[in-house]
Amino acid sequence: EAGVTQFPSHSVIEKGQTVTLRCDPISGHDNLYWYRRVMGKEIKFLLHFVKESKQDESGMPNNRFLAERTGGTYSTLKVQPAELEDSGVYFCASSQEGAPQETQYFGPGTRLLVL
Amino acid sequence: GQNIDQPTEMTATEGAIVQINCTYQTSGFNGLFWYQQHAGEAPTFLSYNVLDGLEEKGRFSSFLSRSKGYSYLLLKELQMKDSASYLCAVRDREKGYQKVTFGTGTKLQVIP
Repeated sequence: EAGVTQFPSHSVIEKGQTVTLRCDPISGHDNLYWYRRVMGKEIKFLLHFVKESKQDESGMPNNRFLAERTGGTYSTLKVQPAELEDSGVYFCASSQEGAPQETQYFGPGTRLLVL
Repeated sequence: GQNIDQPTEMTATEGAIVQINCTYQTSGFNGLFWYQQHAGEAPTFLSYNVLDGLEEKGRFSSFLSRSKGYSYLLLKELQMKDSASYLCAVRDREKGYQKVTFGTGTKLQVIP
């Protein structure tokens, strides 16, 4: 079974540009999460999809961040326009609704550097 | 919300035992996870506790005390490959749905 995949693995952009990150969850996982880790800090929750619906987006920093999950499969996270403080590692995780532990399985992350 | 505390760094010797502690404060506790994260890689699931007591899985064990808001991860027979960050994460039943909050992680260095 394929794990969670993310694309790209790395992205270097200039302040003011736009970047779109993609996450493909484990097949059959209805729950999809986005997290961000800024250097030296903890992994912080951004938002949670159940299928195509946003269950919780309380962690989204501001309206420069837009997440979508059309069709309830893969998800994209767009940052527009990017700022220096958006640099960090963006992780995606997925879990199976109703599974005993609903353990979240993580992707390898996208390392974003805004210059 | 939650407040999760764990040591920033630890060093232990190959072959030894190390215990990584985690304390938390939460209003709607619904499970505690331990993840291992090697540098530049994804966090990988190690263990899950929702009831008090010890869960053993090979060289790794995890303990939970809900009344004390305390957990530990125990690693036995340490190997060099165990050098990694260990993340404590707490699931909280908040507002009718569940959210997982992570600690900052404990960076474990295993030395020969």
